[in-house]
Amino acid sequence: EIVMTQSPATLSVSPGESATLSCRASQSVTVNLAWYQHKPGQAPRLLIYGASTRAPGVPARFRGSGSGTDFTLTISSLLSDDSAVYYCEQYNNWPRGFGPGTKVETK
Amino acid sequence: QVVQSGPEMKMPGASVKVSCKASGSQYPFTAYSFDWVRQAPGQGFEWMGCISAYNGNTYYGQKFRDRVTLTTDTSTSTVYMEVRSLSSDDTAMYYCARDLFEAAAAGDWGQGTLVTVSS
Repeated sequence: EIVMTQSPATLSVSPGESATLSCRASQSVTVNLAWYQHKPGQAPRLLIYGASTRAPGVPARFRGSGSGTDFTLTISSLLSDDSAVYYCEQYNNWPRGFGPGTKVETK
Repeated sequence: QVVQSGPEMKMPGASVKVSCKASGSQYPFTAYSFDWVRQAPGQGFEWMGCISAYNGNTYYGQKFRDRVTLTTDTSTSTVYMEVRSLSSDDTAMYYCARDLFEAAAAGDWGQGTLVTVSS
């Protein structure tokens, strides 16, 4: 089973600045990696799939990169509305699995 | 759009069956796979399993293999998740999600179904 880890656990960023979130897989998942945004009381939202492809309607401020075992989600020009927990998920192998999440807070 | 059934309250040892009705997709219902993910209070996401609406093939997480069954009804474009032998540890929000056609990432999520297990 592939284990996903994320860092940092919490990130506090001022509006207008950038946030860099990391995700690591215990073995290669090639580019079969997705990022999700989850706000309290809402359904999760797919942001990125294929490690770097934005889902429909996702602003260009969200950029995914990486392959193999190391991945990054960069959120540029952070808005207060970006406050959420962000999860990475590998779908390269069964069982699929999520990282523990990074909570992004705006200062 | 993916719409799930309403909240459930169950006694320990009971079973629960949650439904997930899909609509509004570019391709037929049978072109997609559906995932079930749960989130216990204060915890992260836990992937439970996946079912192909095309052929009914299922994949389960290790801890769910013996207690969870995923099924589909293609006549109503509905996916079902049954969890047996419930305990308080199963108290969680359960999400159904339709994978993208072009990638096995969960593109459309249901609103979630809160399952509470308590005596």
